[in-house]
Amino acid sequence: AQTVTQSQPEMSVQEAETVTLSCTYDTSENNYYLFWYKQPPSRQMILVIRQEAYKQQNATENRFSVNFQKAAKSFSLKISDSQLGDTAMYFCVITGTASKLTFGTGTRLQVTL
Amino acid sequence: GAVVSQHPSWVICKSGTSVKIECRSLDFQATTMFWYRQFPKQSLMLMATSNEGSKATYEQGVEKDKFLINHASLTLSTLTVTSAHPEDSSFYICSARAAGVFGSYEQYFGPGTRLTVT
Repeated sequence: AQTVTQSQPEMSVQEAETVTLSCTYDTSENNYYLFWYKQPPSRQMILVIRQEAYKQQNATENRFSVNFQKAAKSFSLKISDSQLGDTAMYFCVITGTASKLTFGTGTRLQVTL
Repeated sequence: GAVVSQHPSWVICKSGTSVKIECRSLDFQATTMFWYRQFPKQSLMLMATSNEGSKATYEQGVEKDKFLINHASLTLSTLTVTSAHPEDSSFYICSARAAGVFGSYEQYFGPGTRLTVT
């Protein structure tokens, strides 16, 4: 079984600042993928960034980057230059060979002026 | 690319009736589709996995006879909530996994369907 833990239920950041969302996970599989999805008020799930477990290099997508610590089973998301449109619920997600996604409980991020 | 649609986006039905929700992959073929349920301010809970042309696999605790899933083609899966009751009111989200491409572990999500049972 796979588990994902997000210990920050809510976070707030000012526009243009940087924020880091934490995530730890557990899995017995060697091959797995990690994702961060965001769910804005529209409730449409949007993929933010993905990380293949076999890759040591941390994934980056424009203002979004991850800190993937495989031995520690940690997968944090850093958002730089935060924008109002980043306000959303962020889910840390893991999947393995069974292709099922396991979601964390989410972190609600509020970007303020 | 990789767009998934759901219809309807919002449905209100009376207790005891059935309602069907459609999930379509618009620009790719999806051998596997997933159905989730999300309660307010909570995470997504996987209900079932459907593979084209075969029976759906339900997660533990999900009633197969209440939540009927059909995946008749590579672009369409349907969820039918039978004999709906107010406790079935929820936000239902589908996702699809693209076949045979990089990131095949990645799922693309529909916009969700809000079901209200009165």
